[in-house]
Amino acid sequence: GQQVMQIPQYQHVQEGEDFTTYCNSSTTLSNIQWYKQRPGGHPVFLIQLVKSGEVKKQKRLTFQFGEAKKNSSLHITATQTTDVGTYFCAGLVLTGGGNKLTFGTGTQLKVEL
Amino acid sequence: KAGVTQTPRYLIKTRGQQVTLSCSPISGHRSVSWYQQTPGQGLQFLFEYFSETQRNKGNFPGRFSGRQFSNSRSEMNVSTLELGDSALYLCASGSSGTYNEQFFGPGTRLTVL
Repeated sequence: GQQVMQIPQYQHVQEGEDFTTYCNSSTTLSNIQWYKQRPGGHPVFLIQLVKSGEVKKQKRLTFQFGEAKKNSSLHITATQTTDVGTYFCAGLVLTGGGNKLTFGTGTQLKVEL
Repeated sequence: KAGVTQTPRYLIKTRGQQVTLSCSPISGHRSVSWYQQTPGQGLQFLFEYFSETQRNKGNFPGRFSGRQFSNSRSEMNVSTLELGDSALYLCASGSSGTYNEQFFGPGTRLTVL
């Protein structure tokens, strides 16, 4: 079945450093969604990418969808303590039997002062 | 708009018992998806309901079942609980199924003793 892997599993940075998490799917995706889960919280939607090669920015966050629509990345510039949490990508595959949204394994980000 | 609500928030059961969890989606959302979240396995898709019909199902045993009512509220049931069923159960609602942004509830923390 479809698998979505994320690397790294954990990342520990000093405040002000950059951070990147990578997402790779075993199958071509219709779209990819990114979510953030704060410690003790629930996943919160960040963004959705649909087009091949698409790049979207949200303040310090830059999201990219690969040309082959099988990989994606999230880059945070100059991390802040408010960025702490686990970042998940979720790849959507359209099938005759219904859409299948598969979450990646997540990257846990810790930011030290 | 009120967010996604889940009840109960915490539950302790013993092996062999059964449990029913409830999820009320955002008003107007007809899609409800259920996920199991554990530290080792991440977010695993259980099933998706849309307008009272199960549209998609993950790779979980038949002990896990669900349903959706005409008001879009959804329940999931786990029979013959096992220790490994201890997890955070999250439901998410969407206006267009899983194609777009998923709104997650706070989750139900199930502990099986």
